Amino acid sequence: GEDVEQSLFLSVREGDSSVINCTYTDSSSTYLYWYKQEPGAGLQLLTYIFSNMDMKQDQRLTVLLNKKDKHLSLRIADTQTGDSAIYFCAGPQGGKLIFGQGTELSVKP
Amino acid sequence: DAGVIQSPRHEVTEMGQEVTLRCKPISGHNSLFWYRQTMMRGLELLIYFNNNVPIDDSGMPEDRFSAKMPNASFSTLKIQPSEPRDSAVYFCASSLEVSGEAFFGQGTRLTVV
Repeated sequence: GEDVEQSLFLSVREGDSSVINCTYTDSSSTYLYWYKQEPGAGLQLLTYIFSNMDMKQDQRLTVLLNKKDKHLSLRIADTQTGDSAIYFCAGPQGGKLIFGQGTELSVKP
Repeated sequence: DAGVIQSPRHEVTEMGQEVTLRCKPISGHNSLFWYRQTMMRGLELLIYFNNNVPIDDSGMPEDRFSAKMPNASFSTLKIQPSEPRDSAVYFCASSLEVSGEAFFGQGTRLTVV
């Protein structure tokens, strides 16, 4: 199976919270990352969390890490139409950075 | 720094032709990655280099694909001969270390007709 897994699609209404989930297999990961890809563009780092943390908050973004279940989530508060994009989680695996399949977030006005 | 620079941004070519994609990593980064993105398969790691040396090319789909990194500031991904199923967006990324934060280029959209 995939080393890093995500659900493929998420649709929310503007103003609601969005939660994007990710599971990974490599328990030795030191950092775990969230990237954002807007249409026609490359991936850009959105936020990251160190593996000895459970939570990290950065303005509207909250990252939660459950090391026991190897589960990572990204919560976007007050989701805006400009948040519509594909979100990738990524973590080290076998010495290199492995990306999930990406979750396409669609925000409806 | 200008970031990771890829060229061309768009490439349209006929089946059977050779295609060369180019990448200039961020200065000082010692790891370089080539990814392919399609609707069907998502983001796939094709190959990565560390200190200009290919470390893992297990993601390269076929012998038609080859990648080189002759120096720390330049890499190419070549497809010869190209086929319609190679149509995708190809990304180059670089990082300070292999498992660290990766910085992506804008990608090359390849269309093989």
